[in-house]
Amino acid sequence: DGGITQSPKYLFRKEGQNVTLSCEQNLNHDAMYWYRQDPGQGLRLIYYSQIVNDFQKGDIAEGYSVSREKKESFPLTVTSAQKNPTAFYLCASSTTGGWEKPQHFGDGTRLSIL
Amino acid sequence: GENVEQHPSTLSVQEGDSAVIKCTYSDSASNYFPWYKQELGKRPQLIIDIRSNVGEKKDQRIAVTLNKTAKHFSLHITETQPEDSAVYFCAASINNNDMRFGAGTRLTVKP
Repeated sequence: DGGITQSPKYLFRKEGQNVTLSCEQNLNHDAMYWYRQDPGQGLRLIYYSQIVNDFQKGDIAEGYSVSREKKESFPLTVTSAQKNPTAFYLCASSTTGGWEKPQHFGDGTRLSIL
Repeated sequence: GENVEQHPSTLSVQEGDSAVIKCTYSDSASNYFPWYKQELGKRPQLIIDIRSNVGEKKDQRIAVTLNKTAKHFSLHITETQPEDSAVYFCAASINNNDMRFGAGTRLTVKP
């Protein structure tokens, strides 16, 4: 299972702390996405980027920030403003064309509060 | 915006039986419908997809049907095996502008 790598696998956040989740892909995909997965719910979109140096908010962007300085990388920062950050975070990528192309997912990062 | 509902939330079948999972969507402009399988502790993986200009698509034991009039699409798994046990997610995309996922169905195939 290569292609898209998320790290770390598990992450703990203290109160008032910002944490950054890494997502790297070597598939030469233009588009990248961040989703949040909570028990009993589908995937909810946090942010997405269709091209380098550009990104758009998803449905639940509040309390999160991203950057897309390189095609291969799309890190997600969970800020202290996100009051309920405990969840499973999935990064994905797809070829140019975005939403109508299959998305390739990473293995995810599980974030918990200390 | 688009809303995708998925049923049932859990499904248990005997090995060899068929399993059917159904999703409904709200926006008639939706035109791309993928299905993802997520095994326990692993990443979601695309298993089959269908576009709005097709009514049915099949890949070995897996098939997807689309009813545009009723705005629903279904995943059919025949001759189920224990390794089919996973959470299955449907999704719908509207004119390449967005994608919404269903809440998932936990399928258990009992040997």
